[in-house]
Amino acid sequence: GQNIDQPTEMTATEGAIVQINCTYQTSGFNGLFWYQQHAGEAPTFLSYNVLDGLEEKGRFSSFLSRSKGYSYLLLKELQMKDSASYLCAAMDSNYQLIWGAGTKLIIKP
Amino acid sequence: NAGVTQTPKFRVLKTGQSMTLLCAQDMNHEYMYWYRQDPGMGLRLIHYSVGEGTTAKGEVPDGYNVSRLKKQNFLLGLESAAPSQTSVYFCASTSGTADTGELFFGEGSRLTVL
Repeated sequence: GQNIDQPTEMTATEGAIVQINCTYQTSGFNGLFWYQQHAGEAPTFLSYNVLDGLEEKGRFSSFLSRSKGYSYLLLKELQMKDSASYLCAAMDSNYQLIWGAGTKLIIKP
Repeated sequence: NAGVTQTPKFRVLKTGQSMTLLCAQDMNHEYMYWYRQDPGMGLRLIHYSVGEGTTAKGEVPDGYNVSRLKKQNFLLGLESAAPSQTSVYFCASTSGTADTGELFFGEGSRLTVL
């Protein structure tokens, strides 16, 4: 079956760095997405990886290893506004997204 | 800058009642989707459309129907609501081009079935 695993909740300190891991199993693979979702709001796009390696975008970076079925989202210089859920989603061979349950990130002062 | 708009934002139904959720996008996107989001679970695809006049079933289609008569609108209907359909519903759209495939989401519609 198809499956996405990510931690349910993580806590980090303002100004620090946090890494949110995601492992996936899909029928075929057409890319890995990360979305941010603040409580009570819609998900918003953060990143897309289809090739192995690190993609950097400001304070956020996303890494993909296709051979390991693994990705992570790295958030640097954490700010209070980064408190949100982070959703990992893998696109299968039919271009359908398989979503993880999300990782709730709590930032403490 | 409307993007994707969902109506209504909140609704309370009694078991057996029917209702329609409307999704409208002004980005000329071909692909549109209806998801439901429940606590502790990932987004689950209900139905989707790859263009005007087309619809297809997703992961959890039972109890729902959809229509895409106009490119900009995607309607989700519940014919006979059940408590199991209490959820937050999100509409999303994408251009379907081979770049990031970024999904644009509406603000969500919170449905409670009593």
